[in-house]
Amino acid sequence: KQEVTQIPAALSVPEGENLVLNCSFTDSAIYNLQWFRQDPGKGLTSLLLIQSSQREQTSGRLNASLDKSSGRSTLYIAASQPGDSATYLCAVRTDYKLSFGAGTTVTVRA
Amino acid sequence: EAGVAQSPRYKIIEKRQSVAFWCNPISGHATLYWYQQILGQGPKLLIQFQNNGVVDDSQLPKDRFSAERLKGVDSTLKIQPAKLEDSAVYLCASSLVGGQGEQYFGPGTRLTVT
Repeated sequence: KQEVTQIPAALSVPEGENLVLNCSFTDSAIYNLQWFRQDPGKGLTSLLLIQSSQREQTSGRLNASLDKSSGRSTLYIAASQPGDSATYLCAVRTDYKLSFGAGTTVTVRA
Repeated sequence: EAGVAQSPRYKIIEKRQSVAFWCNPISGHATLYWYQQILGQGPKLLIQFQNNGVVDDSQLPKDRFSAERLKGVDSTLKIQPAKLEDSAVYLCASSLVGGQGEQYFGPGTRLTVT
């Protein structure tokens, strides 16, 4: 059974600082890994999807890396802004199932 | 393109009552998912449909939960009778193709059981 862990559970940083969010998974036989953002009371918004054959994916200030062999992914958010405050979840796909971590709740202080 | 629609957005019921949630996926998406997200946890898959057939319902508590997607489009998830531990956000998602397709999520229904 795939287990996905996200550390830390919560993070508070001043505006402008770079954010580093970690995700680890136990079964390296994955199809892809996806990072989501969840705002309070809302659904999930997909940020980045990395296929198993890729090492990283970038979108604007966001960069996600994937090391499948060690079961790790890292989401980097450059020059954080108060609008980046949210919960960030990673999810890995094995077979047809998506397994989620519990998320990292980020607060960016103005 | 319209996103995944869910209703109601919020529901408060007493334990032992019944409740139903509705989901309308993105047009043309063959695969539909229902997830349960308990506060402080990641979403957990309850059931996955491919068109109107069930692909996986291994984590659905079948003694009290049921789901259907009769015409292969919209879907209903029902809980009867509800327990306190069913308090959670119920998320619906859809994808163009099953398995490896990217999933798009609706806003969710927040259920509180008192």
